[in-house]
Amino acid sequence: GAVVSQHPSRVICKSGTSVKIECRSLDFQATTMFWYRQFPKKSLMLMATSNEGSKATYEQGVEKDKFLINHASLTLSTLTVTSAHPEDSSFYICSARVFRDTTYEQYFGPGTRLTVT
Amino acid sequence: AQTVTQSQPEMSVQEAETVTLSCTYDTSENNYYLFWYKQPPSRQMILVIRQEAYKQQNATENRFSVNFQKAAKSFSLKISDSQLGDTAMYFCAFMNLFTQGGSEKLVFGKGTKLTVNP
Repeated sequence: GAVVSQHPSRVICKSGTSVKIECRSLDFQATTMFWYRQFPKKSLMLMATSNEGSKATYEQGVEKDKFLINHASLTLSTLTVTSAHPEDSSFYICSARVFRDTTYEQYFGPGTRLTVT
Repeated sequence: AQTVTQSQPEMSVQEAETVTLSCTYDTSENNYYLFWYKQPPSRQMILVIRQEAYKQQNATENRFSVNFQKAAKSFSLKISDSQLGDTAMYFCAFMNLFTQGGSEKLVFGKGTKLTVNP
């Protein structure tokens, strides 16, 4: 159980276009999902917390208008990178929060590699 | 703000041997959880083990165990009988409970790259 999928796994887009990444919890419902960004050989940087039915909470320094997050259902959150530029190229990972035993755990998607040309 | 420090950027171990990865953290909170995540070359993050701060007993999961020293704010991971499939980046992570807004965010260390040699 607790499987999280992401689509697409890889995407290449041209500078100035927008790209949407989907994060789905396959066998459970998740009221909260998280979006991370990971640079090569670096740790995960939390970008935002996505809550079903409400606005996302962004971390300091993350542009809300550039990284649009929508959590329209209990199994789907989307991240849209608007007007993408080469510096947005990165590995994007989502996770979904699950209550296990006595606390919340996060289960991660396989990630999406975005390349902006 | 909480911080997580992994002081070993890279480590290597021979197959079947034991290796310990270090992690220290800084917090003024009393209720929290600690995790070790594994990220193999596939980049899929996998939960290895978790530890509740209120529990004195160290968590174990098969070949993986932790040494949790709350007073010292230390949380090391021991991998016994290392296998080639253990080769991965290992991230230590902290999660505070009962945060404002209830988001329970994970704070990650910078990671330790572990290579298991045949």
